[in-house]
Amino acid sequence: GESVGLHLPTLSVQEGDNSIINCAYSNSASDYFIWYKQESGKGPQFIIDIRSNMDKRQGQRVTVLLNKTVKHLSLQIAATQPGDSAVYFCAESSRPTGANNLFFGTGTRLTVIP
Amino acid sequence: EAQVTQNPRYLITVTGKKLTVTCSQNMNHEYMSWYRQDPGLGLRQIYYSMNVEVTDKGDVPEGYKVSRKEKRNFPLILESPSPNQTSLYFCASSFGGPYGYTFGSGTRLTVV
Repeated sequence: GESVGLHLPTLSVQEGDNSIINCAYSNSASDYFIWYKQESGKGPQFIIDIRSNMDKRQGQRVTVLLNKTVKHLSLQIAATQPGDSAVYFCAESSRPTGANNLFFGTGTRLTVIP
Repeated sequence: EAQVTQNPRYLITVTGKKLTVTCSQNMNHEYMSWYRQDPGLGLRQIYYSMNVEVTDKGDVPEGYKVSRKEKRNFPLILESPSPNQTSLYFCASSFGGPYGYTFGSGTRLTVV
């Protein structure tokens, strides 16, 4: 069956350090991946996405890396700040544009230590 | 402000008492979806709608109904709630498909 998972349920980093959150997926047909951030008491918030024809995409302080060979996705946050403390979800879709669903991982809780 | 608004934010109800959770978006999005979030299980899709009067089941539709009579609204209906529907519910919308979702703030439902 299809699964989207995370290597670690929790991650603690010092303020100012870089954070790396990992995600594994099992469906080789997955063609679209998204990272979401969920702060306490709020809904998930889009961070960055990447399509399977790319292996790297950068945003503001965030970089997503995709390794299709080993079905691995990572989110790198540069110079982590206290406001980055949240649960981070990866999600994937293996269906074409206009299709109906994303499959979410269970999340990694990032704690930033001041 | 562009947003997805869910109501209520918190709800405690008894088994079997019909309830509706409302969802409204002001972004003219065609695609709307309901998810439930449970510890250790992540977000799972309940129902989705690709446009007005077009709805379909997601991965966990049992015990739920939806309707899409207007583009902006997508209510979630529990005809006869049961304790296993105790969960955190999120409504989401986008222009097309599950890409670049905007999520609501969530509705925490407890069924006793």
